[in-house]
Amino acid sequence: QQPVQSPQAVILREGEDAVINCSSSKALYSVHWYRQKHGEAPVFLMILLKGGEQKGHDKISASFNEKKQQSSLYLTASQLSYSGTYFCGTEGKNYGQNFVFGPGTRLSVLP
Amino acid sequence: DSGVTQTPKHLITATGQRVTLRCSPRSGDLSVYWYQQSLDQGLQFLIQYYNGEERAKGNILERFSAQQFPDLHSELNLSSLELGDSALYFCASSREGDHYEQYFGPGTRLTVT
Repeated sequence: QQPVQSPQAVILREGEDAVINCSSSKALYSVHWYRQKHGEAPVFLMILLKGGEQKGHDKISASFNEKKQQSSLYLTASQLSYSGTYFCGTEGKNYGQNFVFGPGTRLSVLP
Repeated sequence: DSGVTQTPKHLITATGQRVTLRCSPRSGDLSVYWYQQSLDQGLQFLIQYYNGEERAKGNILERFSAQQFPDLHSELNLSSLELGDSALYFCASSREGDHYEQYFGPGTRLTVT
């Protein structure tokens, strides 16, 4: 089952913050976050494993609440280069469960 | 450059035809994933291979098939092509079967006319 992402799209000014949410109806082992710029391949941002953790590098961080089967991606002091579509990908707890991407959140950062 | 290569970059073919897309994973990666992305759509998981064996299957049509060879490169075969098969096909590789980040190739853009 495909995870749900919200919002579908967001427009920011440079320097503003954004939060993108990802939720699943099934128990999860991990959540991945990827960013895809128009016309390019998706690029890995980070992976969060079960146990409820938070990760980050530079001004992008994420959290994973295993009990709620939810993850959030936090973009702080956004830069123009943050523009793109953000996909969360979820991995189920059972062996052989498909890795499934969410529908994506389109982020536009304006000067 | 992710280290994943895909050939060809572009492919234009007619309905009813058959094509083969090729993917070479990063050095040392054992797992290969195939995804389909239609215009401005999300990434639809098709199939995953791990060290030559099929690991997981997604929304892959019966007209499509894939395999991973002993040298770990993978091929996706699309047959009896329809207009709706026009899309960007991505291959991704990861170090192990699960729980590891995926590195995406540049994609093959397939146009069916």
